[in-house]
Order: sequence, then C-alpha cells, then structure tokens
Amino acid sequence: DAKTTQPPSMDCAEGRAANLPCNHSTISGNEYVYWYRQIHSQGPQYIIHGLKNNETNEMASLIITEDRKSSTLILPHATLRDTAVYYCIVPLNSGGSNYKLTFGKGTLLTVNP
Amino acid sequence: DSGVTQTPKHLITATGQRVTLRCSPRSGDLSVYWYQQSLDQGLQFLIQYYNGEERAKGNILERFSAQQFPDLHSELNLSSLELGDSALYFCASSVTAPWEGNTIYFGEGSWLTVV
Repeated sequence: DAKTTQPPSMDCAEGRAANLPCNHSTISGNEYVYWYRQIHSQGPQYIIHGLKNNETNEMASLIITEDRKSSTLILPHATLRDTAVYYCIVPLNSGGSNYKLTFGKGTLLTVNP
Repeated sequence: DSGVTQTPKHLITATGQRVTLRCSPRSGDLSVYWYQQSLDQGLQFLIQYYNGEERAKGNILERFSAQQFPDLHSELNLSSLELGDSALYFCASSVTAPWEGNTIYFGEGSWLTVV
C-alpha cells in the first residue's frame, strides 16, 4: 500500500550524477517525501526528505515538482558504494497524528565502473 | 552508525521455539518501530511503540508480540517459530510519534534463521 511509484532498476556510470525519479501523484499537501536506501542486507539508511522546497544535504539533493506529484533524488557524483536499493516513501497515516513508513520495492541503482 | 542498537545480530533456532529480539533506540528517541524483511517480501512494517504505548500495527502475526519498557528499549518476541519466520528483523527509532518532518533511523538488524 505504498503511495509511490519508482522504476525497478537503473544504471549509472561512476562519477556521473544519478537521478532517481519517484511518482507520488496522490500526495497530500502536508505529507513529506522521504528517501532511504538499503545496501545489501544492511539497515535502511536515511538520505533526505522534503515537503515543498528542494532540499540538499551532504549525501544528495531532492527536487520536488511544483505540483508535488513527483520528485527526483540526485546523487551528484555516484560511486560504486552508492549501489543500493533506493526507496521513495510518503508516510501513511495510521490513525490520528501517527504515520508509518511503508516501503515499496524501490529502485535498484547499480553504479558501474 | 545510526545509534539504534539491536541484539543479537544473528540467531539460529529450531521450529516451535521462542526467541526475543532486543532494540535500544537512539538517545532521546521515544518511538520504536519493528520491521521484518524476508527474501520474498521486502520490508514489512510490524508494529510501532511510542513512550511505552502501542501506536500502530502492521502485518504482525499473533505469534509475535512486542513491548517498550520504561527505559524505552523494546523487545520483539517471536513464538512457535516456523521456517517462514526466517528473516531480517529491523528496529528503528524516531524522536516522536507524529514524526512528519522528523527522521526515522534504522538499526543493522537481527538475522533470524529457523531450522
């Protein structure tokens, strides 16, 4: 019951920017978009999140369209260590003010040498 | 290091047995979440606690139970284990329950193998 759609896989050359798209056309006005990644069998790692404005941190940039129906995660200079499954998540309301993080299938990003 | 600590890292047990997985959240985090990841299912949300109270339930089996203690650590109890319960179990924590805008951090997981 994830509210997002991502391509199942993508390739990227080492050193180039990796642009991972996510569609969240049913997002509500006060719902955030979160990005996590999981490197094989490790714990999911938080990358970035945003509401309306574009966001940047030391790991990545998040570009959210003006209508908020889609977003793109940008890894500016991908390395082999960035090979992972990337999850775009819009938290689901589990009642009242509680939300739960529901993971879909994500995008397997493979960075090639 | 996310600051979320899970023990044990690996566990092998027989069918029908009971195990307890333990989680220590990040310092200051009041909310704890449990997830299960098996090979064919992906990451499945099991249950969430906030400051000792259950707040949300996902696809948690009746054979499984969890609790959060006054010191905020949490335990996930798995009983009458079946082969299909073999999976990675992740604990995560965040500052508050209504965590929109807050970040949830995951531990490195506990590998459970049921033989």
